[in-house]
Amino acid sequence: AQKVTQAQTEISVVEKEDVTLDCVYETRDTTYYLFWYKQPPSGELVFLIRRNSFDEQNEISGRYSWNFQKSTSSFNFTITASQVVDSAVYFCALSAEYRDDKIIFGKGTRLHILP
Amino acid sequence: SAVISQKPSRDICQRGTSLTIQCQVDSQVTMMFWYRQQPGQSLTLIATANQGSEATYESGFVIDKFPISRPNLTFSTLTVSNMSPEDSSIYLCSVRGTGELFFGEGSRLTVL
Repeated sequence: AQKVTQAQTEISVVEKEDVTLDCVYETRDTTYYLFWYKQPPSGELVFLIRRNSFDEQNEISGRYSWNFQKSTSSFNFTITASQVVDSAVYFCALSAEYRDDKIIFGKGTRLHILP
Repeated sequence: SAVISQKPSRDICQRGTSLTIQCQVDSQVTMMFWYRQQPGQSLTLIATANQGSEATYESGFVIDKFPISRPNLTFSTLTVSNMSPEDSSIYLCSVRGTGELFFGEGSRLTVL
C-alpha cells in the first residue's frame, strides 16, 4: 500500500529564515512519482514539482529546493529566505509510475511565515 | 496542461438532499479522479472514474453514497447522496497530465 507521511502539522518561522518541510513515503512499487503541491489561503492547488523515482538528483528552483533520498524514502522540501507569500499548506504526494494511476496525498504541513 | 471546469462552484444544501457535481475537461482523458477536502484537511481520493466502466472507489467510500457517471472522455459527474453536515467539503475533480495532477477549482458544499 502507498502512504505519505508529513509529520510536521504546522510550522512557523520568521521571514527570511530557511525552512524544511519533511515528507516520508511508503510504496511497494519499484518506480513511482513524488510530488509537492502548495495550497495558499485562496484555496487553489499549485503544482510545484514532480520527481521520478529513478532521478535522485536534488532540484533547485529559485528559493525552493528538494532533497530526494530513496535510502530513507524521503522527499524533503526546503524554502530558503522565506517570504510571507510562502505561507500556505504544502502537500507531498505519491503515485505509481503509470500515467493514469491515482495520486495519494499526505496530510499537509501548514506553514506560517511571520513578518 | 488541462483546463477543468466544475459546477457548481459552491452550494448550500439541506440535510438529506443530494447534489450532483459536474466536471468538464477540455481534452479527452482516460481517467478522472474525484477528491474530497474536508475543512482543514488533506485531499482524500473518493474514486477513479474510467470511461465505459464502473468507478473504482477507495476504502471508506461507496457507490450508494457517491455515485459517479463517466459518459464520455471529457465529462464526469459525482453525486453526493443523502447529505449530512459531515459531507460539507470541497469536492475536486482532477485529471493527470504527463505526470502531475490538474485540478478543477473545486465545488464547495455546505450542508445545513
